[in-house]
Amino acid sequence: DQQVKQNSPSLSVQEGRISILNCDYTNSMFDYFLWYKKYPAEGPTFLISISSIKDKNEDGRFTVFLNKSAKHLSLHIVPSQPGDSAVYFCGSRGFQKLVFGTGTRLLVSP
Amino acid sequence: DTAVSQTPKYLVTQMGNDKSIKCEQNLGHDTMYWYKQDSKKFLKIMFSYNNKELIINETVPNRFSPKSPDKAHLNLHINSLELGDSAVYFCASSPTSRSTDTQYFGPGTRLTVL
Repeated sequence: DQQVKQNSPSLSVQEGRISILNCDYTNSMFDYFLWYKKYPAEGPTFLISISSIKDKNEDGRFTVFLNKSAKHLSLHIVPSQPGDSAVYFCGSRGFQKLVFGTGTRLLVSP
Repeated sequence: DTAVSQTPKYLVTQMGNDKSIKCEQNLGHDTMYWYKQDSKKFLKIMFSYNNKELIINETVPNRFSPKSPDKAHLNLHINSLELGDSAVYFCASSPTSRSTDTQYFGPGTRLTVL
């Protein structure tokens, strides 16, 4: 069962524009959500998180939005930079466990 | 200094063999994890240890046996390797087992079973 879904396997954006990565989850017991970023041949690194009691969290160029009623979260990157090119994993936590989506590959072209 | 390290980085072996992957963290964390990323890119938790005690054990074949000699190390031993075990295995650690703790991942071990 796929409790966390990232339906877009890839996304291409021009430098300076906004990147929007989407994630849907099915388990209403999840209470904490995270985005991780992964470069080739490296492990995922933490990017930003949001608690279920909030609907928005911002950190510099990165903003995560949470819509609990729709069980949907999104990551906005603005402005996008070529160094943001990576695979982005959405993660949802509950019961001491982190459940990841399959990732979205973001390519930011100059 | 590497925070979470794994050895080896690549492992190619024949079906039926037994192999181990080692993981070490120098962050002073209490909790360590093993994840498997399969060919479909799902990144799934396998095991979690907190202070050397097993706290999460997902539905994983008992051919997989984690061992934590101390809280800085979590090794993964796999018996009788099968083709379906081919994947990238990531080790991770976090300060505690609290759900809000950030997890720090190692670089991964790519296992190929022939």
